[in-house]
Amino acid sequence: DAGITQSPRHKVTETGTPVTLRCHQTENHRYMYWYRQDPGHGLRLIHYSYGVKDTDKGEVSDGYSVSRSKTEDFLLTLESATSSQTSVYFCAITPGGPGDPGNTIYFGEGSWLTVV
Amino acid sequence: SQQGEEDPQALSIQEGENATMNCSYKTSINNLQWYRQNSGRGLVHLILIRSNEREKHSGRLRVTLDTSKKSSSLLITASRAADTASYFCATWKGYSTLTFGKGTMLLVSP
Repeated sequence: DAGITQSPRHKVTETGTPVTLRCHQTENHRYMYWYRQDPGHGLRLIHYSYGVKDTDKGEVSDGYSVSRSKTEDFLLTLESATSSQTSVYFCAITPGGPGDPGNTIYFGEGSWLTVV
Repeated sequence: SQQGEEDPQALSIQEGENATMNCSYKTSINNLQWYRQNSGRGLVHLILIRSNEREKHSGRLRVTLDTSKKSSSLLITASRAADTASYFCATWKGYSTLTFGKGTMLLVSP
C-alpha cells in the first residue's frame, strides 16, 4: 500500500450542500491528484498539486476547488454539490517530477459520493 | 480527453486461457503504464514500459509497445479467476498529468 488514506470513504449529501473530501499521504510525495471515475468516461483529472499551496486545474475542474496547506494533505471541495458530481473520487500521488520516465502513480481506495 | 483508448471494452475468457488487451494513444510518450482495478477498489500499477523498449515481462504479464503505431498491448498468460478486473493504460500528458483510457473489463470464468 502506498500510504494514502481517503476520507470519507462513503458519503450521501444533498444538492447544494458543500462537501470536502480529504486525502492524506504518509509518503512525503510532492505531487497529489484528484480524479473522478464515471461509467463511460474512465478516470478524469479534476485538480492536481505540485507542492504546498501549488495547485492547477485538470480537465474537469468546474465546480471543484482544492487546497494543500501541508505536504501530506490534499483537500477537494465541492462548494455546492450537484447530482452530476455523484461519482467515485480517487486521490493519487507520485514522487518527484511526473515527467520522469520511471514515475508511476499510486492510488487511494476511493471515496463514493452520492448527491441526492 | 483520453490519451489512451483500450480495446476491447470487455473480454470474457476461461481460466487457463490468455487475455490480450490493446491500447492506442495519440501523442508521443516517454512511457506507457498499465494499471488494474478490482471492483470497488483503487487502481494498482502493473507495469511500465519506456518509449525505447519494445517488450517487457513481469510474471504472467507481457507488454509490448509500438511507437510507430502508437499502440501497446497487455497479454496475461494462463489467466486465473483472480485476474478478473478492469485494466487501464495510462500515459503522461505533458509534464504534469497522467491520463487514462476507459479501460478493458476482463472476466475470467473458472
